[in-house]
Amino acid sequence: QKEVEQDPGPLSVPEGAIVSLNCTYSNSAFQYFMWYRQYSRKGPELLMYTYSSGNKEDGRFTAQVDKSSKYISLFIRDSQPSDSATYLCAMTYTDKLIFGTGTRLQVFP
Amino acid sequence: KAGVTQTPRYLIKTRGQQVTLSCSPISGHRSVSWYQQTPGQGLQFLFEYFSETQRNKGNFPGRFSGRQFSNSRSEMNVSTLELGDSALYLCASQDSMNTEAFFGQGTRLTVV
Repeated sequence: QKEVEQDPGPLSVPEGAIVSLNCTYSNSAFQYFMWYRQYSRKGPELLMYTYSSGNKEDGRFTAQVDKSSKYISLFIRDSQPSDSATYLCAMTYTDKLIFGTGTRLQVFP
Repeated sequence: KAGVTQTPRYLIKTRGQQVTLSCSPISGHRSVSWYQQTPGQGLQFLFEYFSETQRNKGNFPGRFSGRQFSNSRSEMNVSTLELGDSALYLCASQDSMNTEAFFGQGTRLTVV
């Protein structure tokens, strides 16, 4: 079993929709949680970074962490075609940074 | 502040050859990690260097190696290339562990 599981998608939604991206993990030692966005032919860029259970909001993006269920989510409100990308969750403890396989999102006009 | 710079951006090599990729981290960052990204496997951790020392290593064969210089620049080397080594190789720099990792644009390696 992988330490981090992420639905690969692809996910296709209309512009303006609310998008929910999810990851589950098995190692309760993970302390820090991140979401990265990766456009085609580019390196991943950090979107959200959090270390506690609960919600963290940044503009149209909300990161949610539920440590008791070992579950993290990224919500995108009012999705835009420019949000079309692959979204990777990542988590870390001590000296390990583990990524999910990524979910490909397509937002159509 | 300049970002993470990886060179070259694209490479085509033949089976059996060896290749060296370079990564210059963000100024002041001492940790450099390398990842292999393929459509089927996602981002897989290769190794991480901190202050010229390899701190962590992923589950890759010994053909994959790396090093870090005193200015924090890092290189990774792949010897005896195989077709399955075709991938996007990404470098990430961090100020320290448990902080945000900043990625370069990657080197796309194609082995023919």
